Amino acid sequence: KNEVEQSPQNLTAQEGEFITINCSYSVGISALHWLQQHPGGGIVSLFMLSSGKKKHGRLIATINIQEKHSSLHITASHPRDSAVYICAVNSGGSEKLVFGKGMKLTVNP
Amino acid sequence: DAGVIQSPRHEVTEMGQEVTLRCKPISGHNSLFWYRQTMMRGLELLIYFNNNVPIDDSGMPEDRFSAKMPNASFSTLKIQPSEPRDSAVYFCASSIQENTEAFFGQGTRLTVV
Repeated sequence: KNEVEQSPQNLTAQEGEFITINCSYSVGISALHWLQQHPGGGIVSLFMLSSGKKKHGRLIATINIQEKHSSLHITASHPRDSAVYICAVNSGGSEKLVFGKGMKLTVNP
Repeated sequence: DAGVIQSPRHEVTEMGQEVTLRCKPISGHNSLFWYRQTMMRGLELLIYFNNNVPIDDSGMPEDRFSAKMPNASFSTLKIQPSEPRDSAVYFCASSIQENTEAFFGQGTRLTVV
């Protein structure tokens, strides 16, 4: 079993829909990261969080430490949100990141 | 700041050749990471440095891989000799200190034929 699991693996949505991407992990962590990788290949860090909730524009990330679960929400989705969203954790205080397999999101106009 | 700079962006080489990938981290960042991304395995950490010192190289696949960080502004990842299974996208990332947000370079797409 992978230490970091993401669901779903693929998601297709219509423009304007509210989208939720889930991440579960099985190890103790010091932080959880949400990354975005566009078709061109570049990786951008969206959020780093260790508790509660963070918001940036149309993106909201939440984490529940007790349940070892995090969600990334996209409100009013847009085709430019189409990308692979990757969840990663700093395991046990280490700087080493352990990655999920990623979730490919396609938002159709 | 221009962000994390990697070179080359693309590299095609023949099996058995030496390959050197280069990375310039963001100025002032103390941690540098080398990752590899493949379709089968996703993103994996190869090695990371803190203050130019290698901290964890447990992800380096085998002795053909080596990484150096001679100073705070430059790192290399070398594969010698290269093999077709090394074909992947190699990312370099840096962060200002431990357990902070990581900034990624654009990656080097390596193809070994």
